[in-house]
Amino acid sequence: EVQLVESGGGLVKPGGSLRLSCAASGFSFSYYSMIWVRQAPGEGLEWVSSMNNNGAYQYYGDSVKGRFTISRDNAKNSLYLQMNSLRAEDTAVYYCAKGMDGGSRYATDVWGQGTTVIVSS
Amino acid sequence: DIQMTQSPSTLSTSVGDRVTITCRASQSVINWLAWYQQKPGKAPNLLIYKASSLQSGVTSRFSGSGSGTEFTLTISSLQPDDFATYYCQQYYSYPHTFGQGTKLEIK
Repeated sequence: EVQLVESGGGLVKPGGSLRLSCAASGFSFSYYSMIWVRQAPGEGLEWVSSMNNNGAYQYYGDSVKGRFTISRDNAKNSLYLQMNSLRAEDTAVYYCAKGMDGGSRYATDVWGQGTTVIVSS
Repeated sequence: DIQMTQSPSTLSTSVGDRVTITCRASQSVINWLAWYQQKPGKAPNLLIYKASSLQSGVTSRFSGSGSGTEFTLTISSLQPDDFATYYCQQYYSYPHTFGQGTKLEIK
């Protein structure tokens, strides 16, 4: 069964850091681009970051550029999101998701259940 | 960045209705467009990719069309399980922006 399981969410103070992890199983992880998407409470979906299959290329949304870093370990079938300088507006459910191929143009066909990040003092 | 605009934002509909949701891009995305369904408290689910290709396992009541800057998602005969929020997403260029969503409500 194809599965993505996120972890690492929690409550953090403004200015703090958090590292999200996503464990993948059931597919050849190293073949596919991976994505982080977030959803603030009561709001729509926001694309956060993507990384291609071999980790050579990373892309970020303007709202997180310079603060978040996406990475992956293909040997461990894992995707990560290091989040620094967190702000209240980063409060959201963060989804790990799988692209349909390993390049730069792909829909997202598998999603994790999400992990909740709350930034509050 | 490419802006994606969906209409309507909310649609009150009934079981059995034919429903059309529109998504407009601020510049051409060719056909690099996907549609997702999301139910409350759940992750999104891919319905359509490349504007008109039905994702495996998705009922054929869903169909997509369009190219360039204007796209539509059509549900041929609305079923109770279809009441949800629908999002379009362009993946022609980064950032891979989503539309703001269209919520289908029971009339």
